[in-house]
Amino acid sequence: DTEVTQTPKHLVMGMTNKKSLKCEQHMGHRAMYWYKQKAKKPPELMFVYSYEKLSINESVPSRFSPECPNSSLLNLHLHALQPEDSALYLCASSQARSGGRGRDTQYFGPGTRLTVL
Amino acid sequence: QKEVEQDPGPLSVPEGAIVSLNCTYSNSAFQYFMWYRQYSRKGPELLMYTYSSGNKEDGRFTAQVDKSSKYISLFIRDSQPSDSATYLCAMSVLTTDSWGKLQFGAGTQVVVTP
Repeated sequence: DTEVTQTPKHLVMGMTNKKSLKCEQHMGHRAMYWYKQKAKKPPELMFVYSYEKLSINESVPSRFSPECPNSSLLNLHLHALQPEDSALYLCASSQARSGGRGRDTQYFGPGTRLTVL
Repeated sequence: QKEVEQDPGPLSVPEGAIVSLNCTYSNSAFQYFMWYRQYSRKGPELLMYTYSSGNKEDGRFTAQVDKSSKYISLFIRDSQPSDSATYLCAMSVLTTDSWGKLQFGAGTQVVVTP
């Protein structure tokens, strides 16, 4: 099973709202990622968690706040977003264990389509 | 110059034809090469993963890597309308924590017409 689940599928929020995106995987993967994807563009990396610790923050504005409560869950907390933040937000995971090729293969979830009004 | 170059298309082919997609890259440190398929408004789906020069076949899909020329290809045989999607090439270098930072191409939109 190579399933990554994301909730909600769609989210509409105002610029003053606070909301959260949720991502879950039960493949035993130890690296989890958040990407942002605009229409007709490839995914852009936002954050990487490796063994529940933040490894990379790709200069993402503080209105996006990631959280990794445990090895299976990844959240993205949203606050005071701007209309230009409207996009498809993708979560991915990979094994990240030593030994064996393919351990960096990333499996993506279906995404959350976010609209900021 | 972008690290990974991919023609965005669109690439239109008749049903049953061979779809040929390719990417070039400039960073010789890339170790792993992937092709993802993405349907409209969905997440990317892994199609092929390769790490060495040569061909890898999986059903109707063949991935080809030429590290000396820094060039990767994906061929889809007997194309079907259901193959209509955007195809993203991606490549990575492993970090010390064994996760890979993916560098994507722009994605090629493929349309297979009945």
